[in-house]
Parts: sequence; C-alpha cells; structure tokens
Amino acid sequence: NAGVTQTPKFQVLKTGQSMTLQCAQDMNHNSMYWYRQDPGMGLRLIYYSASEGTTDKGEVPNGYNVSRLNKREFSLRLESAAPSQTSVYFCASQRQKPGELFFGEGSRLTVL
Amino acid sequence: DQQVKQNSPSLSVQEGRISILNCDYTNSMFDYFLWYKKYPAEGPTFLISISSIKDKNEDGRFTVFLNKSAKHLSLHIVPSQPGDSAVYFCAASAGNTGFQKLVFGTGTRLLVSP
Repeated sequence: NAGVTQTPKFQVLKTGQSMTLQCAQDMNHNSMYWYRQDPGMGLRLIYYSASEGTTDKGEVPNGYNVSRLNKREFSLRLESAAPSQTSVYFCASQRQKPGELFFGEGSRLTVL
Repeated sequence: DQQVKQNSPSLSVQEGRISILNCDYTNSMFDYFLWYKKYPAEGPTFLISISSIKDKNEDGRFTVFLNKSAKHLSLHIVPSQPGDSAVYFCAASAGNTGFQKLVFGTGTRLLVSP
C-alpha cells in the first residue's frame, strides 16, 4: 500500500535549470496538492487540482507549473529554478470527506 | 495575511505530563480543523480533526478543543511520551462538502523529554 509516492527525494539544481517533481497516488482520490515547507513558514500551497482535468493556483504559484496527467498523477515543474525555490516539496492527495490529506515523504530541492 | 497562526514555535514537556499546543485562526468561514504531526524527513500525517459543530473531539491520548467565539483551538496530549516529539501543524478549511482546501499554520515543535 504505497499511498502517495514522490520522486525524486533529493535534487540539486543550478540557477536557471528546469526540473519536474513527480507525484502519484494509489488511493483513487480526486484532489491532489503541492505544498512547500520552509523554516518558520509552515506548509504553503503552491498549486492544487480539485479533480482530474482541473488545476488552480494556491498561495505561492509563481515560478511553478503543474500538470494533472490523470487521476493518479500530479506533477510540479520548475521551468527556470531560482535559489528562492530551495525548499522541501510535499505532494498530497485528499479524501473527499472529511478532507484529510495524505502526504508523500517529500522532495528536498536545493537551487545553487 | 496568515489565516492560521501557531504562535509558539516550540514547546518542551516532561514525559507523563500534559502537552498543550495552541492554534488561532482569523477566517470565520473555517468550519473544519485538523492537526498533523510531522517527524523529520517524513511527510505530515493526520492526527485528529474537529468540525465546527463540536467543541471537543477525543482520540486516545489526543484531544482537540475548539472555541469558536475566540477562534482558537488547542491540542492536548495526555500523557506525553518521548515518541510524541515532532512538529505539529494545525490546519483549517471552509466548507464541509466536496472539495476542501486546507490552510496550515507554521507549526510547533514539541520535545518530550524522558
């Protein structure tokens, strides 16, 4: 029972490089999310997908794009990485009710 | 504008004593509240939740209290154990039907010493 799987777990990028964080869930949840966690800032929502085929901006979407490839997969892309995007990224899926989120283990990204 | 606030970055408690973690919110539309626990190098995991129609919810050693008039909730852990040492996030959402977008607080690091 894998739950939410994120890849890669660690990545180091140079400023200006691009990369995609992959996320897949096997719980048949409709909603999926990408959060970033920074010291003293808690978990901030980057993008979310309420259902397959829809995506919306969260609190901190600048510099990111997302794709909801199918019901299982929700990817996060950094087109031109910046040092400010150094963070730990969490993907999550959500049960319809009561709204509980299931998180992946996180992806630690460092941009030099 | 932070809608969910955890004003204590850290809390230290002795094993066996009570741990009380606090959370305040500003958005009166929030009607569902959750607590998550996070260990280092792991994703947050759901701990306990409460709907705004209740003022208390209990699950074993964990109890969440909601004071709607004060826009305040708290998580009580009794008795505290060393394995409870983690970062605790409170979260809130508006609308208890269909899709819910959670807003998280900044977290409180709990250290339970033997």
